[in-house]
Amino acid sequence: GQSLEQPSEVTAVEGAIVQINCTYQTSGFYGLSWYQQHDGGAPTFLSYNGLDGLEETGRFSSFLSRSDSYGYLLLQELQMKDSASYFCAVLYQKVTFGTGTKLQVIP
Amino acid sequence: NAGVTQTPKFQVLKTGQSMTLQCAQDMNHEYMSWYRQDPGMGLRLIHYSVGAGITDQGEVPNGYNVSRSTTEDFPLRLLSAAPSQTSVYFCASSYGGSGMEAFFGQGTRLTVV
Repeated sequence: GQSLEQPSEVTAVEGAIVQINCTYQTSGFYGLSWYQQHDGGAPTFLSYNGLDGLEETGRFSSFLSRSDSYGYLLLQELQMKDSASYFCAVLYQKVTFGTGTKLQVIP
Repeated sequence: NAGVTQTPKFQVLKTGQSMTLQCAQDMNHEYMSWYRQDPGMGLRLIHYSVGAGITDQGEVPNGYNVSRSTTEDFPLRLLSAAPSQTSVYFCASSYGGSGMEAFFGQGTRLTVV
């Protein structure tokens, strides 16, 4: 089976940098995805790591270490609109989501 | 380009009633899936399909049925609604079996009383 762990809540200041970690235990692994979900909305795709290393997309970056079964999402230049829940998801035959990290950005 | 369309957006059922949640996508995606999301929890996979005529169970399949007769449509049927099925349901689709970028519908908020 699949098991993913994320911190439940993170608070950060507007303009700062925040890192959201994800550790996983899986029976197989193709890659790690990240999704953002605002309250009352649907999840939207942010990034995917199929290989070790850093993927950068604008203010968001995602990192994967297969040997450590670990990844993180890095958000830079935080904006108030980044307040949302962030989910990591493991891809292996099907997609399994973590329980999510609620990010609160404060002025 | 509509993406993934779910209907209805809201639904109230009485215990024991049955209903079908509709999901349609116009992106010619092979992979489609249904998730439920409960407060404070992540998305839990109910059923998924890797193509027309092929479906499989996820983490929490009990009480739900699916079928995939066309590439576009992937309906979720609640056989006999129970209060434990009160949740927000999301349908998602992605290209091939990669699941790398899944597109989600806007969700169905279901209450069973």
